Amino acid sequence: QITLKESGPTVLKPTQTLTMTCTFSGFSLTTGGVGVGWIRQPPGKALEWLGLIYWNDDKRYSPSLKSRLSITKDTSKNQVVLTMTGMDPVDTATYFCARLHVLSNRFDPWGQGTLVTVSS
Amino acid sequence: SYVLTQPPSVSVAPGQTARISCGGKNIQNRNVHWYKQKPGQAPVLVVYDDSDRPSGIPERFSGSNSGNTATLTISRVEAGDEADYHCQLWDATTDLWVFGGGTKLTVL
Repeated sequence: QITLKESGPTVLKPTQTLTMTCTFSGFSLTTGGVGVGWIRQPPGKALEWLGLIYWNDDKRYSPSLKSRLSITKDTSKNQVVLTMTGMDPVDTATYFCARLHVLSNRFDPWGQGTLVTVSS
Repeated sequence: SYVLTQPPSVSVAPGQTARISCGGKNIQNRNVHWYKQKPGQAPVLVVYDDSDRPSGIPERFSGSNSGNTATLTISRVEAGDEADYHCQLWDATTDLWVFGGGTKLTVL
């Protein structure tokens, strides 16, 4: 069974840095054809793809957020870490991680998500 | 950047068929995936690669993709189908992943 779970702060102040960890089981990020993606969803709004990391450490980022994002992996811990600098109230959202099926570029399954609120 | 357009809402009576559209330029040339999301929960994949179903997803869920529109069809709609539905694809031109705006399905 494949599971993913996000962990990190639930409240941040403006300008602070978000560090969100995705801990997964049931697959390995050393296996070819696998990736982990990050997606967020502001309250009541649409899903927004943020970025992803492949098994070979290649990475992709949303152009609109690229300057603020970093995604890294620790294969020994089965973890992927999302770092987003300069948090703003508009970044208030539920942050999800999900396994990427590279062949079809679909996300399945997803973690439960963590709501991050940015407020002074 | 590539844009996916979904209707904000679709309503259907129980037992009827719901069709949720996802519009994009020449979308037929791309593989479209569909996710179901209930309030407070994570999205769940219900259709991938236009028309394939993951194991455990009822046959009532089907997909198609032609021209500039991909469609998720839910037959014999049940109360439990009430949720938000999101389409998604990978745009090879830009190497970016794109989501539609989501459609709220209401079962009357």
